[in-house]
Amino acid sequence: GENVEQHPSTLSVQEGDSAVIKCTYSDSASNYFPWYKQELGKGPQLIIDIRSNVGEKKDQRIAVTLNKTAKHFSLHITETQPEDSAVYFCAASPKRTALIFGKGTTLSVSS
Amino acid sequence: GAGVSQSPRYKVAKRGQDVALRCDPISGHVSLFWYQQALGQGPEFLTYFQNEAQLDKSGLPSDRFFAERPEGSVSTLKIQRTQQEDSAVYLCASSLARQGVGEAFFGQGTRLTVV
Repeated sequence: GENVEQHPSTLSVQEGDSAVIKCTYSDSASNYFPWYKQELGKGPQLIIDIRSNVGEKKDQRIAVTLNKTAKHFSLHITETQPEDSAVYFCAASPKRTALIFGKGTTLSVSS
Repeated sequence: GAGVSQSPRYKVAKRGQDVALRCDPISGHVSLFWYQQALGQGPEFLTYFQNEAQLDKSGLPSDRFFAERPEGSVSTLKIQRTQQEDSAVYLCASSLARQGVGEAFFGQGTRLTVV
Protein backbone atom coordinates (compact mmCIF):
# COMPACT_ATOMS: atom_id res chain seq x y z
CA GLY A 1 0.00 0.00 0.00
CA GLU A 2 0.89 3.67 -0.13
CA ASN A 3 3.54 4.93 2.28
CA VAL A 4 4.17 8.64 2.87
CA GLU A 5 7.41 9.71 4.51
CA GLN A 6 7.70 13.24 5.87
CA HIS A 7 10.81 15.16 6.95
CA PRO A 8 11.83 16.78 9.18
CA SER A 9 9.74 15.82 12.18
CA THR A 10 10.54 19.16 13.87
CA LEU A 11 11.62 22.46 12.37
CA SER A 12 12.54 25.66 14.19
CA VAL A 13 13.00 28.92 12.30
CA GLN A 14 13.28 32.59 13.06
CA GLU A 15 10.44 34.88 12.06
CA GLY A 16 10.92 36.00 8.48
CA ASP A 17 12.91 32.93 7.46
CA SER A 18 11.68 30.31 5.02
CA ALA A 19 10.59 26.81 6.00
CA VAL A 20 10.64 23.73 3.79
CA ILE A 21 8.98 20.40 4.54
CA LYS A 22 9.53 17.41 2.27
CA CYS A 23 7.48 14.29 1.62
CA THR A 24 7.98 11.18 -0.48
CA TYR A 25 5.35 8.69 -1.54
CA SER A 26 5.56 5.16 -2.87
CA ASP A 27 2.44 4.54 -4.98
CA SER A 28 2.69 5.97 -8.48
CA ALA A 29 -1.11 5.86 -8.69
CA SER A 30 -1.34 8.76 -6.23
CA ASN A 31 -2.55 11.87 -8.06
CA TYR A 32 -3.63 14.32 -5.36
CA PHE A 33 -1.34 15.81 -2.72
CA PRO A 34 -2.79 18.13 -0.07
CA TRP A 35 -1.05 19.82 2.83
CA TYR A 36 -2.80 20.35 6.13
CA LYS A 37 -2.03 22.57 9.10
CA GLN A 38 -3.15 21.39 12.53
CA GLU A 39 -3.17 23.59 15.60
CA LEU A 40 -3.46 22.20 19.09
CA GLY A 41 -6.94 20.87 19.82
CA LYS A 42 -8.20 21.49 16.31
CA GLY A 43 -8.81 19.43 13.23
CA PRO A 44 -6.46 19.60 10.23
CA GLN A 45 -7.00 22.60 7.96
CA LEU A 46 -6.25 22.38 4.24
CA ILE A 47 -3.71 25.05 3.30
CA ILE A 48 -2.77 24.07 -0.24
CA ASP A 49 -3.04 21.13 -2.58
CA ILE A 50 -1.64 20.02 -5.91
CA ARG A 51 -2.67 17.49 -8.50
CA SER A 52 -0.29 15.31 -10.45
CA ASN A 53 -0.70 17.20 -13.71
CA VAL A 54 0.85 20.32 -12.15
CA GLY A 55 4.45 20.81 -11.02
CA GLU A 56 4.06 23.82 -8.77
CA LYS A 57 1.35 25.84 -7.11
CA LYS A 58 1.60 29.03 -5.09
CA ASP A 59 -0.76 30.85 -2.78
CA GLN A 60 0.70 34.01 -1.25
CA ARG A 61 3.47 32.87 1.15
CA ILE A 62 2.85 29.17 0.60
CA ALA A 63 3.97 27.07 -2.35
CA VAL A 64 4.01 23.37 -3.13
CA THR A 65 6.20 21.61 -5.68
CA LEU A 66 5.71 18.11 -7.06
CA ASN A 67 8.22 15.84 -8.76
CA LYS A 68 6.28 12.82 -10.04
CA THR A 69 9.35 11.08 -11.39
CA ALA A 70 11.07 11.14 -8.03
CA LYS A 71 7.79 10.72 -6.15
CA HIS A 72 8.35 13.63 -3.83
CA PHE A 73 6.62 16.88 -3.04
CA SER A 74 7.50 19.80 -0.82
CA LEU A 75 5.85 22.64 1.08
CA HIS A 76 7.57 26.01 1.10
CA ILE A 77 6.56 28.77 3.48
CA THR A 78 8.25 32.13 3.00
CA GLU A 79 8.43 35.06 5.43
CA THR A 80 7.33 32.87 8.32
CA GLN A 81 5.31 34.40 11.13
CA PRO A 82 4.69 33.16 14.69
CA GLU A 83 1.13 32.22 13.71
CA ASP A 84 2.58 29.72 11.24
CA SER A 85 3.64 27.61 14.25
CA ALA A 86 1.67 24.35 14.09
CA VAL A 87 1.93 20.73 12.97
CA TYR A 88 1.94 20.30 9.20
CA PHE A 89 0.89 17.09 7.45
CA CYS A 90 1.38 16.05 3.88
CA ALA A 91 -0.87 13.45 2.30
CA ALA A 92 -1.23 11.44 -0.89
CA SER A 93 -4.22 9.72 -2.47
CA PRO A 94 -3.43 6.28 -3.93
CA LYS A 95 -7.16 5.75 -4.38
CA ARG A 96 -10.10 8.13 -4.62
CA THR A 97 -11.56 7.12 -1.29
CA ALA A 98 -8.71 7.83 1.11
CA LEU A 99 -5.76 10.04 1.93
CA ILE A 100 -2.57 8.58 3.38
CA PHE A 101 -0.90 11.05 5.72
CA GLY A 102 2.69 11.55 6.74
CA LYS A 103 3.62 11.60 10.41
CA GLY A 104 3.72 15.39 10.59
CA THR A 105 6.23 18.20 11.06
CA THR A 106 6.09 20.45 14.11
CA LEU A 107 7.04 23.94 12.93
CA SER A 108 8.07 26.51 15.52
CA VAL A 109 8.55 30.12 14.45
CA SER A 110 10.23 32.30 17.03
CA SER A 111 10.05 36.08 16.99
CA GLY B 1 -23.46 25.12 9.72
CA ALA B 2 -20.30 26.73 8.52
CA GLY B 3 -18.07 23.71 8.97
CA VAL B 4 -17.93 20.05 9.90
CA SER B 5 -19.33 19.54 13.37
CA GLN B 6 -18.45 16.58 15.59
CA SER B 7 -19.92 15.57 18.91
CA PRO B 8 -19.10 14.96 21.62
CA ARG B 9 -15.76 16.80 21.70
CA TYR B 10 -14.53 14.54 24.47
CA LYS B 11 -15.63 11.08 25.52
CA VAL B 12 -14.36 8.94 28.37
CA ALA B 13 -15.45 5.33 28.20
CA LYS B 14 -14.80 2.41 30.48
CA ARG B 15 -13.20 -0.55 28.80
CA GLY B 16 -15.91 -2.73 27.32
CA GLN B 17 -18.41 0.10 26.91
CA ASP B 18 -19.96 0.95 23.53
CA VAL B 19 -19.60 4.49 22.17
CA ALA B 20 -21.18 6.45 19.31
CA LEU B 21 -19.51 9.43 17.71
CA ARG B 22 -21.46 11.84 15.54
CA CYS B 23 -20.43 13.85 12.50
CA ASP B 24 -22.44 16.62 10.82
CA PRO B 25 -20.77 17.33 7.48
CA ILE B 26 -20.97 20.57 5.54
CA SER B 27 -24.40 20.78 3.91
CA GLY B 28 -24.39 19.37 0.40
CA HIS B 29 -21.10 17.54 0.73
CA VAL B 30 -21.32 14.20 -1.00
CA SER B 31 -18.19 12.59 0.38
CA LEU B 32 -17.61 11.85 4.05
CA PHE B 33 -14.52 10.32 5.65
CA TRP B 34 -13.61 9.05 9.09
CA TYR B 35 -10.01 9.07 10.30
CA GLN B 36 -8.34 7.99 13.53
CA GLN B 37 -5.46 10.08 14.88
CA ALA B 38 -3.27 8.66 17.63
CA LEU B 39 -1.25 11.07 19.76
CA GLY B 40 1.67 12.54 17.81
CA GLN B 41 0.71 10.77 14.58
CA GLY B 42 -0.95 11.64 11.32
CA PRO B 43 -4.61 10.78 10.70
CA GLU B 44 -5.23 7.21 9.55
CA PHE B 45 -8.09 6.40 7.19
CA LEU B 46 -11.00 4.39 8.57
CA THR B 47 -13.88 4.56 6.11
CA TYR B 48 -15.46 6.52 3.25
CA PHE B 49 -19.06 7.30 2.27
CA GLN B 50 -20.40 8.68 -0.96
CA ASN B 51 -23.85 9.91 0.06
CA GLU B 52 -25.33 6.98 2.03
CA ALA B 53 -23.17 4.32 0.40
CA GLN B 54 -20.16 3.08 2.34
CA LEU B 55 -17.76 2.54 -0.54
CA ASP B 56 -14.60 1.84 1.42
CA LYS B 57 -14.26 0.43 4.92
CA SER B 58 -10.82 -1.04 4.48
CA GLY B 59 -9.34 1.05 7.29
CA LEU B 60 -11.66 -0.12 10.07
CA PRO B 61 -9.32 -1.93 12.48
CA SER B 62 -11.76 -4.61 13.61
CA ASP B 63 -15.38 -5.69 13.45
CA ARG B 64 -15.96 -3.72 16.65
CA PHE B 65 -15.95 -0.59 14.49
CA PHE B 66 -19.05 0.26 12.52
CA ALA B 67 -20.04 3.40 10.62
CA GLU B 68 -23.24 4.49 8.98
CA ARG B 69 -24.68 7.45 7.08
CA PRO B 70 -28.27 6.36 6.48
CA GLU B 71 -29.64 9.51 4.84
CA GLY B 72 -26.47 10.71 3.18
CA SER B 73 -25.82 13.53 5.63
CA VAL B 74 -25.09 12.88 9.34
CA SER B 75 -22.78 9.98 10.04
CA THR B 76 -22.16 7.94 13.17
CA LEU B 77 -19.08 5.95 14.03
CA LYS B 78 -19.80 3.26 16.59
CA ILE B 79 -17.20 1.35 18.54
CA GLN B 80 -18.35 -1.70 20.47
CA ARG B 81 -16.63 -3.14 23.52
CA THR B 82 -14.03 -0.37 23.61
CA GLN B 83 -10.44 -1.24 24.42
CA GLN B 84 -7.56 0.95 25.58
CA GLU B 85 -5.95 0.89 22.14
CA ASP B 86 -9.06 2.62 20.78
CA SER B 87 -8.04 5.80 22.64
CA ALA B 88 -7.42 8.43 19.96
CA VAL B 89 -8.95 11.45 18.28
CA TYR B 90 -11.57 10.49 15.72
CA LEU B 91 -11.78 12.96 12.86
CA CYS B 92 -14.55 13.36 10.35
CA ALA B 93 -14.06 15.16 7.04
CA SER B 94 -16.39 16.02 4.20
CA SER B 95 -15.85 17.02 0.60
CA LEU B 96 -17.97 18.34 -2.20
CA ALA B 97 -16.06 16.10 -4.60
CA ARG B 98 -18.19 13.29 -5.90
CA GLN B 99 -15.10 11.35 -6.87
CA GLY B 100 -13.86 10.89 -3.31
CA VAL B 101 -10.83 12.83 -2.21
CA GLY B 102 -10.69 16.47 -3.17
CA GLU B 103 -10.76 19.54 -0.97
CA ALA B 104 -11.70 17.87 2.31
CA PHE B 105 -12.69 19.86 5.37
CA PHE B 106 -12.11 18.33 8.79
CA GLY B 107 -14.07 18.71 11.98
CA GLN B 108 -12.38 19.34 15.33
CA GLY B 109 -12.55 15.69 16.23
CA THR B 110 -13.78 13.64 19.16
CA ARG B 111 -11.11 12.71 21.69
CA LEU B 112 -11.93 9.23 22.99
CA THR B 113 -10.21 8.03 26.13
CA VAL B 114 -10.80 4.44 27.21
CA VAL B 115 -10.02 3.78 30.87
